Parts: sequence; C-alpha cells; structure tokens
Amino acid sequence: KNQVEQSPQSLIILEGKNCTLQCNYTVSPFSNLRWYKQDTGRGPVSLTIMTFSENTKSNGRYTATLDADTKQSSLHITASQLSDSASYICVVSARGNMEYGNKLVFGAGTILRVKS
Amino acid sequence: NAGVTQTPKFQVLKTGQSMTLQCAQDMNHEYMSWYRQDPGMGLRLIHYSVGAGITDQGEVPNGYNVSRSTTEDFPLRLLSAAPSQTSVYFCASARGQGGHEQYFGPGTRLTVT
Repeated sequence: KNQVEQSPQSLIILEGKNCTLQCNYTVSPFSNLRWYKQDTGRGPVSLTIMTFSENTKSNGRYTATLDADTKQSSLHITASQLSDSASYICVVSARGNMEYGNKLVFGAGTILRVKS
Repeated sequence: NAGVTQTPKFQVLKTGQSMTLQCAQDMNHEYMSWYRQDPGMGLRLIHYSVGAGITDQGEVPNGYNVSRSTTEDFPLRLLSAAPSQTSVYFCASARGQGGHEQYFGPGTRLTVT
C-alpha cells in the first residue's frame, strides 16, 4: 500500500535554531515529492518539488533533500523564524496510468512551533 | 487572480441537514479536488474532477456528492450530515495531473452536532 510517514509529529524549537523534518514513503512507482507548508487556518502552500533525479532543492531558508534509493526525504529549516510555525506536509506523487485523484499520497504532517 | 476561493469559512449543521460547500478557481485549471483534513491524519481525497462534466470518487466519497458544470466551479454537497463529517474541507485545483502543484483554498471548518 502506498504510504507516507512523517516524523516527528510535532516539534518545538527556539527562534534562530535549525531543524530537520523527515518523510519516508513507500509510494511506487515514484514520480515526485513535494513539501507543503500549512499555516494555521489556511490551505497548504507548496515549498519545493523534487523528481527522481534531484537530491537537493532549496527555497530560501528551506532545503529539501531526497534519497530515492532509501525512499526518504528531509526538509531542513535554517535560522528559524516565528513565521515558520506551521504544519509541514510531505506529498508523494505516483507515476503511471492511475487516474489523477489517486496519484497523490499525503503525509499527516509535522507541526512546528518556533518560540521566541 | 483570486486563486481558489471557498465559502463558507465556518458552518455548523445539525445531524441530517444538507448543505453545499462552494469552491471556485480563476486559474483555468482542469483538475479540481475536494479533501477533508482530520487531526493526526493526512488530507484524504473525497472527490475529484479532471474537467467540466467529469467527476470521480476518491478515498472517502460516502455521504458526499459533487458536480462540475463549469471549469471554474466544483461544489461539494453533503446529503445528510453526520457527526463523522465534522472536519476541515479543502478544495484544490491543479494545471495538470500527477506532480503538478495543487493550489488550495482557505478551507471550510464544518461542525455537525
């Protein structure tokens, strides 16, 4: 069964510190992996996308990595800010002839809280 | 562009009542979806559409209906609300299928008592 597991479930860090969020997946055949940021009371917004051949992608202070062999991804946040407090969701897309609706597998998310 | 809009933002229903959650997008996207988000779980797909006049069921379709008469609009109907449908509902649209970025609306928080 296609699954996406994220860890930790929640995390509290001090402003200015770095942190790393993990995503393990069993989706096959793999097409791409996207990280979304979801602020409280809002819809998710895409941060990065990586395909099979990419192993690092940055978006400002956010850096995502992908190891397609071990089926793991991480999202590293550098010099955290209060505005980074949000839920971070890993979404893996399957490749193939499946209908659109069944291509995406969502993780449950990691809730990050940045304290001053 | 307004992107994806949803109304209402909040709704309280009594068990057995029906209602329609509205979703509209102005990006001319062919693909639209409805998800529900419950605590501790990933977003789960309710229904989706790959174009006007075409809809299909997702992972959790029971108790919900959809229609897609135009490219812009994709309403979700709750036929007879149940407490198990208490959730936050998100509508999303995408330019293409698979890994194309999904643009999400702000969500509708529904409580069924």
